[in-house]
Amino acid sequence: NAGVMQNPRHLVRRRGQEARLRCSPMKGHSHVYWYRQLPEEGLKFMVYLQKENIIDESGMPKERFSAEFPKEGPSILRIQQVVRGDSAAYFCASSPPSGGRSTDTQYFGPGTRLTVL
Amino acid sequence: AQKITQTQPGMFVQEKEAVTLDCTYDTSDPSYGLFWYKQPSSGEMIFLIYQGSYDQQNATEGRYSLNFQKARKSANLVISASQLGDSAMYFCAMRGTSSGSARQLTFGSGTQLTVLP
Repeated sequence: NAGVMQNPRHLVRRRGQEARLRCSPMKGHSHVYWYRQLPEEGLKFMVYLQKENIIDESGMPKERFSAEFPKEGPSILRIQQVVRGDSAAYFCASSPPSGGRSTDTQYFGPGTRLTVL
Repeated sequence: AQKITQTQPGMFVQEKEAVTLDCTYDTSDPSYGLFWYKQPSSGEMIFLIYQGSYDQQNATEGRYSLNFQKARKSANLVISASQLGDSAMYFCAMRGTSSGSARQLTFGSGTQLTVLP
């Protein structure tokens, strides 16, 4: 039973380029979350998606960042025109479909380490 | 708004001894869940244990137990019989049960645990 998959594990981009981070949730999970971890800090929520829907993007920067979770395929976090401050670890988590109970544990992928030169 | 506070940036424990990692929280949700995650130096986030706010008993998972004191709003993690492999960063996290934005996890700043041989 495969866990949450993320790729690439490491990504290097130059300033101004685009970064695309992919996340495949655990089998049977339909809820996907993206978090960002800056060096020496805890994880900060970015966006919560279900298939073809963005449910909550209150943690997403207003510009350059977007996320999608299409009907088929992985969830994508896209960062356009990257800047040095985007360098961080980006984690994806998934949880099963539910009625919003607090018991729904989020299982994390291994993360993508983005370095912007 | 939810808030998690971890006041111990670093902790040391002798191998085979028990250690308690502190976590206090603040929320206006009537029902909520508390989680602990482990992040070893390799970077992945590993789910350890969950406590529901209405659970009558403290959660236990192997060598991990959660000392939940609702009136004090604390959810401390206890690791018994520490092993060298327990050396890692530990994060306390919370989520509520409302729809939408409360599904996100709010993380503390973490505690770096070092197990000494």
